[in-house]
Amino acid sequence: TQLLEQSPQFLSIQEGENLTVYCNSSSVFSSLQWYRQEPGEGPVLLVTVVTGGEVKKLKRLTFQFGDARKDSSLHITAAQPGDTGLYLCAGHSDSNYQLIWGAGTKLIIKP
Amino acid sequence: NAGVTQTPKFQVLKTGQSMTLQCAQDMNHEYMSWYRQDPGMGLRLIHYSVGAGITDQGEVPNGYNVSRSTTEDFPLRLLSAAPSQTSVYFCASSYQGAGNTIYFGEGSWLTVV
Repeated sequence: TQLLEQSPQFLSIQEGENLTVYCNSSSVFSSLQWYRQEPGEGPVLLVTVVTGGEVKKLKRLTFQFGDARKDSSLHITAAQPGDTGLYLCAGHSDSNYQLIWGAGTKLIIKP
Repeated sequence: NAGVTQTPKFQVLKTGQSMTLQCAQDMNHEYMSWYRQDPGMGLRLIHYSVGAGITDQGEVPNGYNVSRSTTEDFPLRLLSAAPSQTSVYFCASSYQGAGNTIYFGEGSWLTVV
């Protein structure tokens, strides 16, 4: 069974601080996606990474795919209250079309 | 742009009742799916479809039926509601293939009492 473990499960920090959340697995993924979900809404795609070692930046958000394509991280610089939400990672395995979802990191940025 | 539209947004059912959650997408996506989301458990796949006339079971299919008579529509039926089916349900669609963007509906909050 393929699993994606996200850590931490919950993070509450002050505005302006930096943070990193992680998405780890023992399985190899052909691609990995990060989604953000705000209360009362469905998840929205932030980024897709497909190459081992790939780094993508989206304003203050930096996403990295591990060299072995088994893990990923999301780093937020100078967090703002608008970054508050549930961050979900999801991976497509090489052998199975279905997405494997992590349980999510609930992030709260306090003003 | 409508995207993925789910109805109803909120529903309260009594144990044993049946109901259908409607889902429609206007992006001509082949792939559609239903998830349920429970606290601390992430998104769990209920059923999915890779095209009209084709459906298959996901991780937690028991108690749910689906059909895909058209590309646009993918309704989810609860046959005999149970309190364990209290959850938030999301319909999603995408083009087929790994790495494609998945578009989600806004969710349906279902409470079974």
